[in-house]
Amino acid sequence: KAGVTQTPRYLIKTRGQQVTLSCSPISGHRSVSWYQQTPGQGLQFLFEYFSETQRNKGNFPGRFSGRQFSNSRSEMNVSTLELGDSALYLCASSPRTSSSVETQYFGPGTRLLVL
Amino acid sequence: GESVGLHLPTLSVQEGDNSIINCAYSNSASDYFIWYKQESGKGPQFIIDIRSNMDKRQGQRVTVLLNKTVKHLSLQIAATQPGDSAVYFCAENSYGGSQGNLIFGKGTKLSVKP
Repeated sequence: KAGVTQTPRYLIKTRGQQVTLSCSPISGHRSVSWYQQTPGQGLQFLFEYFSETQRNKGNFPGRFSGRQFSNSRSEMNVSTLELGDSALYLCASSPRTSSSVETQYFGPGTRLLVL
Repeated sequence: GESVGLHLPTLSVQEGDNSIINCAYSNSASDYFIWYKQESGKGPQFIIDIRSNMDKRQGQRVTVLLNKTVKHLSLQIAATQPGDSAVYFCAENSYGGSQGNLIFGKGTKLSVKP
């Protein structure tokens, strides 16, 4: 079974621009979570989508948004980019088939550099 | 497994020795814990998990220990190999809280000397 895939893998943008990142979960997985990873703050939760609905949101400004499609693929968008948005953006998927907490499996990430 | 700023705690071990990586978690209500391994340029890779109704779980060459009294988690790697060199993160989650939201520790860098 193929793992979580993310595109693009690398991206360079300038301040003020906006960016869209894409994530395809493991086949059959219905939940997609997004995380931001930086050397200073580590791995921080952005948001989770399940059945095309945002279920949870981390403590990030409204410039960070996302959506999920009917095939469970997800996109996240960052508008009005700032230098501090430079990070590795990770997507993780989980089955969400039971009522108990399940393991999340991560993709390789998208490395975003804002100049 | 806590760190400040850019500096990750580093554990340096000799090939063949056992490694123990520690983590203090934050939420006493957390009931699910995971260890991830992250190699340079890659996303976190699942190693092993444990639920709060257990205090020990074993996998292939790895063992996770959970001490809920002091909110402490540890990962033991037997016969450490050069391929085990990576940053290791503990993560916690709570079914009663936000299932999709893993809370990560800052990570520990494991360096294996051949």
